[in-house]
This record gives sequence, C-alpha cells and structure tokens, in this order.
Amino acid sequence: AQRVTQPEKLLSVFKGAPVELKCNYSYSGSPELFWYVQYSRQRLQLLLRHISRESIKGFTADLNKGETSFHLKKPFAQEEDSAMYYCALRGTGGFKTIFGAGTRLFVKA
Amino acid sequence: NAGVTQTPKFRILKIGQSMTLQCAQDMNHNYMYWYRQDPGMGLKLIYYSVGAGITDKGEVPNGYNVSRSTTEDFPLRLELAAPSQTSVYFCASSSLNSNYGYTFGSGTRLTVV
Repeated sequence: AQRVTQPEKLLSVFKGAPVELKCNYSYSGSPELFWYVQYSRQRLQLLLRHISRESIKGFTADLNKGETSFHLKKPFAQEEDSAMYYCALRGTGGFKTIFGAGTRLFVKA
Repeated sequence: NAGVTQTPKFRILKIGQSMTLQCAQDMNHNYMYWYRQDPGMGLKLIYYSVGAGITDKGEVPNGYNVSRSTTEDFPLRLELAAPSQTSVYFCASSSLNSNYGYTFGSGTRLTVV
C-alpha cells in the first residue's frame, strides 16, 4: 500500500541550527516525491520536487530508494522557516498524490 | 493570477444541512482534487477529476458528491452534514505535466454542530 510517514509532529530548533524533517514512504513502483509547505495564514504551496534536485530557500531533499526516505534538510534554520511541512508521494506517470500527516517546524530566536 | 479560488473560507452547518463548497481555477489545469484535513492527519483525497465531465472517488468519498461541468469549476457538495465532516477542505489542481505539483486553494474550515 502507498503510504507516507512523517514521524515527527513537531520539530523545534534554534535559529542557525541545522534542521532535518524526516519522511519515509512505502510504494511498490517508482515514486515522485514532493515537499509542500504552509506558512502561517498562507495556502499550501510546493516547496521542492525530487525530480528537479533543486535547492529552494536553502532546503534540499534527496530521494534514498534504499531507505525509502526523502528527508528535507537545511544547514542553518531561519525564523521565517517556521511553518507546517508536508511530504507527498505520487506514482510515476500518475497524478493523484498522497500526503503525510505533516511536521510543524518551529525555529526559535 | 488568481490560481485556485475556494469559497467560503469558513462555514458552520447544523447536522442534516447541506452546502456546496466552490472551487475554481484559471490555469486551464485538467486535474482537480478535493482533500480534507483532520487535526494531526494528512490530507485525505475525497474526489478527483481528470477533466470536464469526468470524476472519480478518492479515499474518503462517503457523504460527498462532485461535478465537473467545466474545466474551471469543481464544486464539492455535502448532503446531510454530519459532525464527522468537520474538517478543513482543500481544493487543488494540477496540469498534465507530472513534473509539477499541485496548486492549492486557501481552504474552507467547516464545522458541523
């Protein structure tokens, strides 16, 4: 069965500290993985996609098929990174996406 | 650029009442979706559509209906509202290009009392 697991509901770090938001998935084929972010009083928006191997706002995520993980990382957290982060999975060539439960990141000054 | 527009933003319904959540997109996206988000849970797919006139059930369709008469609009109908339908509802759309993710609406917070 397809499943996306984000083990941490809340992650609190100090400004300038590294941050890693964990995401594990279960999928029998080749998945496409995404990270979405929701800042306070804003709508959900796409942060990055594994297929583009990009860095957005200092965040990166590498797809590890051996560990079935797609953890989101940033070397130095900023207060403006405080938000709700969702990991999401879509089957290759498909269009329906399943979402994890989300991790709330709180960056303290 | 409006993107995906959802209305209303908030609504309180009494048990047994019905309502329609509106969703419209102006990006000419073929695919549209309705998700619900319960506290501490991920987004659950209610219904989706791959184009005008074509809809299908998602993971949690019971108690809901949809229609897609145009590419732009994808309303979600709640008949006989129940407390279990208290949730935040998100509409989203996406293009045929699978490299891109979803564009989301701002959400509707629905409370059934």
